[in-house]
Amino acid sequence: NAGVTQTPKFQVLKTGQSMTLQCAQDMNHEYMSWYRQDPGMGLRLIHYSVGAGITDQGEVPNGYNVSRSTTEDFPLRLLSAAPSQTSVYFCASNQMGGSPLHFGNGTRLTVT
Amino acid sequence: EDQVTQSPEALRLQEGESSSLNCSYTVSGLRGLFWYRQDPGKGPEFLFTLYSAGEEKEKERLKATLTKKESFLHITAPKPEDSATYLCAVLSNTGFQKLVFGTGTRLLVSP
Repeated sequence: NAGVTQTPKFQVLKTGQSMTLQCAQDMNHEYMSWYRQDPGMGLRLIHYSVGAGITDQGEVPNGYNVSRSTTEDFPLRLLSAAPSQTSVYFCASNQMGGSPLHFGNGTRLTVT
Repeated sequence: EDQVTQSPEALRLQEGESSSLNCSYTVSGLRGLFWYRQDPGKGPEFLFTLYSAGEEKEKERLKATLTKKESFLHITAPKPEDSATYLCAVLSNTGFQKLVFGTGTRLLVSP
Protein backbone atom coordinates (compact mmCIF):
# COMPACT_ATOMS: atom_id res chain seq x y z
CA ASN A 1 0.00 0.00 0.00
CA ALA A 2 1.33 3.40 -0.96
CA GLY A 3 -1.00 5.22 1.48
CA VAL A 4 -1.48 8.88 0.50
CA THR A 5 0.49 10.04 -2.55
CA GLN A 6 0.95 13.71 -3.40
CA THR A 7 2.38 15.17 -6.58
CA PRO A 8 4.39 17.18 -7.33
CA LYS A 9 6.81 17.36 -4.40
CA PHE A 10 7.96 20.87 -5.32
CA GLN A 11 6.45 23.59 -7.49
CA VAL A 12 7.29 27.20 -8.31
CA LEU A 13 4.58 29.42 -9.76
CA LYS A 14 4.39 33.01 -10.85
CA THR A 15 1.65 35.22 -9.43
CA GLY A 16 -1.57 34.68 -11.37
CA GLN A 17 -0.72 31.22 -12.68
CA SER A 18 -2.99 28.28 -11.95
CA MET A 19 -2.16 24.73 -11.03
CA THR A 20 -3.56 21.56 -9.49
CA LEU A 21 -2.01 19.69 -6.60
CA GLN A 22 -2.74 16.01 -6.91
CA CYS A 23 -3.64 13.66 -4.05
CA ALA A 24 -4.48 9.98 -4.24
CA GLN A 25 -5.07 7.37 -1.53
CA ASP A 26 -5.33 3.59 -1.80
CA MET A 27 -6.80 2.82 1.63
CA ASN A 28 -10.44 3.16 0.54
CA HIS A 29 -10.94 5.99 3.03
CA GLU A 30 -14.14 8.00 2.69
CA TYR A 31 -12.74 11.20 4.21
CA MET A 32 -10.00 13.34 2.65
CA SER A 33 -8.64 16.75 3.62
CA TRP A 34 -6.19 19.42 2.49
CA TYR A 35 -4.04 21.33 4.98
CA ARG A 36 -1.41 24.02 4.62
CA GLN A 37 1.55 24.35 6.97
CA ASP A 38 3.30 27.68 7.47
CA PRO A 39 6.19 28.56 9.82
CA GLY A 40 4.97 29.52 13.28
CA MET A 41 1.44 28.36 12.56
CA GLY A 42 -0.25 25.04 13.05
CA LEU A 43 -1.58 23.00 10.18
CA ARG A 44 -4.71 24.73 8.88
CA LEU A 45 -7.59 23.02 7.13
CA ILE A 46 -8.36 24.29 3.62
CA HIS A 47 -11.10 21.97 2.34
CA TYR A 48 -12.32 18.52 3.15
CA SER A 49 -14.53 15.81 1.67
CA VAL A 50 -16.64 13.15 3.35
CA GLY A 51 -17.15 11.11 0.21
CA ALA A 52 -17.26 11.24 -3.57
CA GLY A 53 -19.23 14.27 -4.70
CA ILE A 54 -19.25 15.93 -1.25
CA THR A 55 -16.88 18.71 -0.24
CA ASP A 56 -16.89 21.47 2.36
CA GLN A 57 -14.76 24.43 3.41
CA GLY A 58 -12.27 24.44 6.21
CA GLU A 59 -10.61 27.31 8.03
CA VAL A 60 -8.76 28.92 5.08
CA PRO A 61 -10.62 28.07 1.83
CA ASN A 62 -10.22 31.33 -0.11
CA GLY A 63 -8.25 30.99 -3.34
CA TYR A 64 -8.62 27.22 -3.49
CA ASN A 65 -11.09 24.88 -5.19
CA VAL A 66 -11.64 21.17 -4.73
CA SER A 67 -13.77 18.43 -6.21
CA ARG A 68 -14.08 14.73 -5.44
CA SER A 69 -15.20 12.58 -8.33
CA THR A 70 -13.76 9.31 -7.01
CA THR A 71 -13.02 7.87 -3.55
CA GLU A 72 -9.31 7.73 -4.37
CA ASP A 73 -8.57 11.23 -5.64
CA PHE A 74 -8.92 14.69 -4.12
CA PRO A 75 -7.15 17.40 -6.18
CA LEU A 76 -6.63 20.94 -4.91
CA ARG A 77 -6.80 23.73 -7.48
CA LEU A 78 -5.22 27.15 -7.23
CA LEU A 79 -7.00 29.30 -9.79
CA SER A 80 -4.80 32.40 -9.62
CA ALA A 81 -1.75 31.91 -7.41
CA ALA A 82 -0.72 34.63 -4.94
CA PRO A 83 2.49 34.97 -2.89
CA SER A 84 0.37 34.40 0.25
CA GLN A 85 -0.21 30.86 -0.99
CA THR A 86 3.47 30.01 -0.63
CA SER A 87 3.34 27.10 1.80
CA VAL A 88 3.68 23.37 2.25
CA TYR A 89 0.46 21.57 1.39
CA PHE A 90 -0.54 18.27 2.92
CA CYS A 91 -3.29 15.94 1.84
CA ALA A 92 -4.71 13.51 4.39
CA SER A 93 -7.26 10.75 4.48
CA ASN A 94 -9.13 9.00 7.27
CA GLN A 95 -11.66 6.26 7.61
CA MET A 96 -14.42 8.30 9.26
CA GLY A 97 -14.93 11.61 11.02
CA GLY A 98 -12.74 11.78 14.11
CA SER A 99 -10.46 8.88 13.19
CA PRO A 100 -6.69 9.50 12.83
CA LEU A 101 -5.46 11.21 9.69
CA HIS A 102 -3.00 9.56 7.30
CA PHE A 103 -0.89 12.25 5.65
CA GLY A 104 1.00 12.40 2.39
CA ASN A 105 4.53 13.80 2.30
CA GLY A 106 3.47 17.21 1.08
CA THR A 107 3.93 19.60 -1.82
CA ARG A 108 6.19 22.60 -1.25
CA LEU A 109 4.77 25.49 -3.28
CA THR A 110 6.51 28.80 -3.88
CA VAL A 111 4.66 31.67 -5.58
CA THR A 112 6.86 34.51 -6.81
CA GLU B 1 -12.89 29.26 19.34
CA ASP B 2 -10.87 26.06 19.76
CA GLN B 3 -7.20 26.65 20.55
CA VAL B 4 -4.08 24.54 21.07
CA THR B 5 -0.81 25.79 22.58
CA GLN B 6 2.28 23.62 22.69
CA SER B 7 5.36 24.15 24.85
CA PRO B 8 8.23 24.36 24.72
CA GLU B 9 8.74 25.39 21.08
CA ALA B 10 12.04 23.51 21.02
CA LEU B 11 13.72 21.06 23.37
CA ARG B 12 17.23 19.64 23.34
CA LEU B 13 17.89 16.47 25.33
CA GLN B 14 20.81 14.17 25.83
CA GLU B 15 20.22 10.55 24.97
CA GLY B 16 18.60 8.91 27.99
CA GLU B 17 17.41 12.21 29.49
CA SER B 18 13.64 11.90 30.04
CA SER B 19 11.31 14.88 29.65
CA SER B 20 7.74 15.93 28.82
CA LEU B 21 6.09 18.00 26.11
CA ASN B 22 2.97 19.99 26.93
CA CYS B 23 -0.21 20.60 24.93
CA SER B 24 -2.73 23.00 26.47
CA TYR B 25 -6.11 23.22 24.82
CA THR B 26 -9.38 25.10 24.87
CA VAL B 27 -12.25 23.36 23.14
CA SER B 28 -16.02 23.40 23.27
CA GLY B 29 -16.44 19.75 24.21
CA LEU B 30 -13.50 17.45 23.47
CA ARG B 31 -14.14 14.68 21.00
CA GLY B 32 -10.51 13.64 20.77
CA LEU B 33 -6.92 14.82 21.25
CA PHE B 34 -4.32 13.57 18.80
CA TRP B 35 -0.52 13.39 18.88
CA TYR B 36 1.49 13.23 15.67
CA ARG B 37 5.20 13.00 14.92
CA GLN B 38 6.62 14.90 11.94
CA ASP B 39 10.09 14.32 10.48
CA PRO B 40 11.70 16.98 8.25
CA GLY B 41 10.29 16.91 4.72
CA LYS B 42 7.61 14.39 5.64
CA GLY B 43 3.95 14.45 6.54
CA PRO B 44 2.79 13.99 10.13
CA GLU B 45 2.58 10.42 11.38
CA PHE B 46 -0.14 9.44 13.83
CA LEU B 47 0.94 8.43 17.34
CA PHE B 48 -2.03 8.49 19.77
CA THR B 49 -5.64 9.48 20.27
CA LEU B 50 -6.93 10.34 23.75
CA TYR B 51 -10.63 10.77 24.40
CA SER B 52 -11.22 11.52 28.08
CA ALA B 53 -9.44 12.95 31.11
CA GLY B 54 -7.36 10.35 32.90
CA GLU B 55 -6.69 8.33 29.79
CA GLU B 56 -3.11 7.23 29.07
CA LYS B 57 -1.54 5.55 26.04
CA GLU B 58 1.96 4.19 25.51
CA LYS B 59 4.12 3.27 22.57
CA GLU B 60 7.76 2.32 23.08
CA ARG B 61 9.43 5.28 24.85
CA LEU B 62 6.39 7.55 24.49
CA LYS B 63 3.47 7.93 26.87
CA ALA B 64 0.59 10.35 26.36
CA THR B 65 -1.69 11.53 29.16
CA LEU B 66 -4.78 13.74 29.22
CA THR B 67 -6.45 16.09 31.70
CA LYS B 68 -9.37 18.43 31.15
CA LYS B 69 -7.06 21.26 30.12
CA GLU B 70 -3.86 19.72 28.81
CA SER B 71 -2.05 16.69 27.51
CA PHE B 72 1.52 15.61 28.11
CA LEU B 73 3.76 13.53 25.91
CA HIS B 74 6.34 11.91 28.18
CA ILE B 75 9.52 10.67 26.55
CA THR B 76 11.44 8.15 28.63
CA ALA B 77 15.14 7.55 27.95
CA PRO B 78 14.97 9.10 24.47
CA LYS B 79 17.21 8.05 21.61
CA PRO B 80 18.48 10.19 18.71
CA GLU B 81 15.86 8.60 16.44
CA ASP B 82 13.16 10.24 18.58
CA SER B 83 14.28 13.61 17.20
CA ALA B 84 11.31 15.11 15.34
CA THR B 85 8.58 17.71 15.68
CA TYR B 86 5.67 16.54 17.80
CA LEU B 87 2.26 17.98 16.95
CA CYS B 88 -0.85 18.05 19.10
CA ALA B 89 -4.36 18.53 17.67
CA VAL B 90 -7.88 18.63 19.08
CA LEU B 91 -11.25 17.79 17.61
CA SER B 92 -14.33 19.25 19.24
CA ASN B 93 -17.78 17.70 19.43
CA THR B 94 -18.99 20.35 17.00
CA GLY B 95 -15.87 20.36 14.81
CA PHE B 96 -16.77 17.27 12.75
CA GLN B 97 -13.69 16.83 10.57
CA LYS B 98 -12.01 20.10 11.61
CA LEU B 99 -8.88 19.32 13.59
CA VAL B 100 -7.15 22.29 15.24
CA PHE B 101 -3.37 21.86 15.42
CA GLY B 102 -0.76 23.39 17.68
CA THR B 103 2.49 24.72 16.27
CA GLY B 104 4.50 21.79 17.56
CA THR B 105 7.56 21.09 19.72
CA ARG B 106 10.85 20.46 17.93
CA LEU B 107 12.74 17.78 19.82
CA LEU B 108 16.44 17.15 19.29
CA VAL B 109 18.05 14.23 21.09
CA SER B 110 21.85 14.21 21.05
CA PRO B 111 23.90 11.02 21.43
